[in-house]
Amino acid sequence: AQSVTQLGSHVSVSEGALVLLRCNYSSSVPPYLFWYVQYPNQGLQLLLKYTSAATLVKGINGFEAEFKKSETSFHLTKPSAHMSDAAEYFCAVSKDTGFQKLVFGTGTRLLVSP
Amino acid sequence: DTAVSQTPKYLVTQMGNDKSIKCEQNLGHDTMYWYKQDSKKFLKIMFSYNNKELIINETVPNRFSPKSPDKAHLNLHINSLELGDSAVYFCASSESPGGPDTQYFGPGTRLTVL
Repeated sequence: AQSVTQLGSHVSVSEGALVLLRCNYSSSVPPYLFWYVQYPNQGLQLLLKYTSAATLVKGINGFEAEFKKSETSFHLTKPSAHMSDAAEYFCAVSKDTGFQKLVFGTGTRLLVSP
Repeated sequence: DTAVSQTPKYLVTQMGNDKSIKCEQNLGHDTMYWYKQDSKKFLKIMFSYNNKELIINETVPNRFSPKSPDKAHLNLHINSLELGDSAVYFCASSESPGGPDTQYFGPGTRLTVL
């Protein structure tokens, strides 16, 4: 079975500071990995995804994530936080075979202070 | 143009009632999904349809019955509503059912059972 662990239900940063949201996965087969963002009272939107091509993945809004197989991690980073980045971030895993069934982590709320 | 739309946005009802949530996507995708997000923001897949055929059916009570009249629509009917059904229900779609396809989420339907 696949699973995702997101460390830290809340992360607080100052505007302009580095954003680091942690995600560790467990999968018995090669995974696909995703980061989705949920703004208040909205649906989820894809930030980026790992599909076994490049291990460093760049996404929208200046976010990127690096797939590290040895650490079973897919942490999300952004060099400089903006106020508009305040949202809930979800890491998700899916198998690379069969029907896509996303298994989500419990989410991390990013708070950005001026 | 809204890519994935859901109606209604809010639904407040009494225990024991039957209710439906509708979802439509105008992206031309073959695959649609229903997710449940609980009060702790945990997201779990419920069902997935590909070209009107059910392909994923998680351990959901049989009071929940999805229906896909065509590949652009996926509705969710819930019988005999219970307090524990209170949640936000998200519809999503993707181009195909496998691989790393991006899922596009609707804005959600907040169901409150009193």
